[in-house]
Amino acid sequence: GDSVTQMEGPVTLSEEAFLTINCTYTATGYPSLFWYVQYPGEGLQLLLKATKADDKGSNKGFEATYRKETTSFHLEKGSVQVSDSAVYFCALSPYSGGGADGLTFGKGTHLIIQP
Amino acid sequence: ETGVTQSPTHLIKTRGQQVTLRCSSQSGHNTVSWYQQALGQGPQFIFQYYREEENGRGNFPPRFSGLQFPNYSSELNVNALELDDSALYLCASSLEATGTYGYTFGSGTRLTVV
Repeated sequence: GDSVTQMEGPVTLSEEAFLTINCTYTATGYPSLFWYVQYPGEGLQLLLKATKADDKGSNKGFEATYRKETTSFHLEKGSVQVSDSAVYFCALSPYSGGGADGLTFGKGTHLIIQP
Repeated sequence: ETGVTQSPTHLIKTRGQQVTLRCSSQSGHNTVSWYQQALGQGPQFIFQYYREEENGRGNFPPRFSGLQFPNYSSELNVNALELDDSALYLCASSLEATGTYGYTFGSGTRLTVV
C-alpha cells in the first residue's frame, strides 16, 4: 500500500537557520503530495501542495518540489522563525478515479526553533 | 468563510460505551473525511463521505461508523469503545472526493477511554 516516510524529530534549530525536512513516498499511480502543519492544540493546516511531477509548492517562505525520480517531497525554508515551531506532516493523496482512500500521512516531524 | 468545526472538544468515556462525534464541514465542501491521530503519530484515515454516501474506508473495524447529512455535516460513531480508541479524532472537508486540492481540518475531538 501507499506509505510516507519522513525524518524523525525533534529537529532543533536556531532562528534564521536553514530548514530541510525530508519526505519520501511509496505509491502507485500519480499521487498528489502535501505538507501539513499542526500547531500545539490545533488541527492540521495545509501548508503547501503539488499535484504533479516537478511542481513546486510554496507558502509562507516554505517550499517543496515533487520529485518523481527520487519519490521525494522535501520541505525547505531559508530562514526559520520561532513561530515556525510546530509538527510538520508530509502526506499523499492517491490518484483515484472513483473511490477515495483519504490522505496517507507520515509520522510527523516536531520542529523546535530556538531564539 | 467558516472553517471546519468539531464538537465536543474533549470527552471521556468508559470502555464498552458508545460515542458520537460531530463535524460541520467548510462552506461549499461536499466531502468529509475522518481521521484518528494517536499520540505522537500521524493521522490514520478512517473513512470518507461524499454526498451522504461512504465512498472510502481505511483499515478500521465496523464498530467505527458514520453519517453525512444533506447539509454535508457528519458524525462519527464508535461502538464498544476500547482503550486503544483513545486519540484525537480529526474531521476534514474538501471540495471534491479525490482530495487533489487538499483538505481543511478541524481542531479535533480528544477522546479518552478509561
